[in-house]
Parts: sequence; structure tokens; C-alpha cells
Amino acid sequence: DTAVSQTPKYLVTQMGNDKSIKCEQNLGHDTMYWYKQDSKKFLKIMFSYNNKELIINETVPNRFSPKSPDKAHLNLHINSLELGDSAVYFCASSQFTGRGNEKLFFGSGTQLSVL
Amino acid sequence: TQLLEQSPQFLSIQEGENLTVYCNSSSVFSSLQWYRQEPGEGPVLLVTVVTGGEVKKLKRLTFQFGDARKDSSLHITAAQPGDTGLYLCAGRAGGTSYGKLTFGQGTILTVHP
Repeated sequence: DTAVSQTPKYLVTQMGNDKSIKCEQNLGHDTMYWYKQDSKKFLKIMFSYNNKELIINETVPNRFSPKSPDKAHLNLHINSLELGDSAVYFCASSQFTGRGNEKLFFGSGTQLSVL
Repeated sequence: TQLLEQSPQFLSIQEGENLTVYCNSSSVFSSLQWYRQEPGEGPVLLVTVVTGGEVKKLKRLTFQFGDARKDSSLHITAAQPGDTGLYLCAGRAGGTSYGKLTFGQGTILTVHP
């Protein structure tokens, strides 16, 4: 009964292809995130959704399009993949408290390799 | 853009030694968190500190939030091989209801038996 599950775990694809990563959380949280971790382990937020509404949208190429069909799911679609998109993508969730101390629960990551 | 500088970037020590990891910024954070990440897994939260000067202990780990809420440290006493991993500090700015969590670049700790 994994709390935050994302699929696939590994994704190897050619430049120019379109791919999707799926994420689901069973914690009943109202906020979900996509983070990108580069080869130097730097973790940077890409998007955040609260109750299916986009609340954080960092400077991410518009080839990346998140979609939240309901508050338990947040998917990430990437068009026209580029070599620089190779990284580990993490989905996370949290419950909004209004006190700025939300605890993030992360999935185990999707390692994307663009050849 | 708020930046968190973590040091050292790499730390390789023997079992039983003590160590400290630092997390510094020129910005004020409403809260600061420490996460630990193992290979092939996502980060797992260790602690959240919210008050300037706050000290929290988690077994052999001691976390401190600076008085001005701009910096933090993680001290591990008598490190064990099981402590090996990537340690990440992450700060959340105040002033917004959905403050963005900014991560430091991480400290890779290796504890040799």
C-alpha cells in the first residue's frame, strides 16, 4: 500500500518523442507536486496542484504539461523530448495546513533517459 | 530567487565519528525541513523546524534552526553505516499560503564500517 506511487520507474526514449508519467497518492492529501532532480542531485519544483488547481508553475518549458484529473492523481506529459530532459522526476503530495510546515511525501521517482 | 547553500557537498567518514552539515541562506524562511534520500528512492522527511533558535533531536541526529531563520545545521553523533545517504535541507518562504519549498543541493554522506 504505497503512499505515493508513480509509473514508470524507468523511461528510456528517443529525442522528439512524447511521454507521460503518472502519479497517484492514497494519503488523502489535497496538494501534489512534480519535482525534477538533475544529475547533481539538485531537486527543483516544477508544478504544484491544490485540489486540482495549478498553484505553482515554475519556469518550465511549455512542452511539459501537468494534468490533475482529481486530487489523488497528478500526471506529467512531456512533448518533443530533448536530451536535457534526462533526469529523475519525483511526484510528491502533502496536506495543506496553512502553517507553512507541510510534510512532503515523495514517490520513488521516474528515471527518464532521452537518447 | 531564494537559494540554500549546503556544505559540505560530500562527506566520507568512519563509523563512530561525528559530523555536521550546514544549510545557509541570505533569505528568511518560515520553516526549514531536512530530508534523507537513499539511492533509487524519494526523499523522506526527517524533521521540520519553524522557530528561530529551535533545536530538535531525533535519536543521534540534532537539528538546529538559526535565530534569524536563515540557516540550519544537522549534527550526527557516532555515525553508523545506516546513516549513509543524501541529506537535503529545504526551506519554505513565508508570506504566501502555498510557500514554495526550495531545496539545497544536498550533502552525500558515506559512513564506512
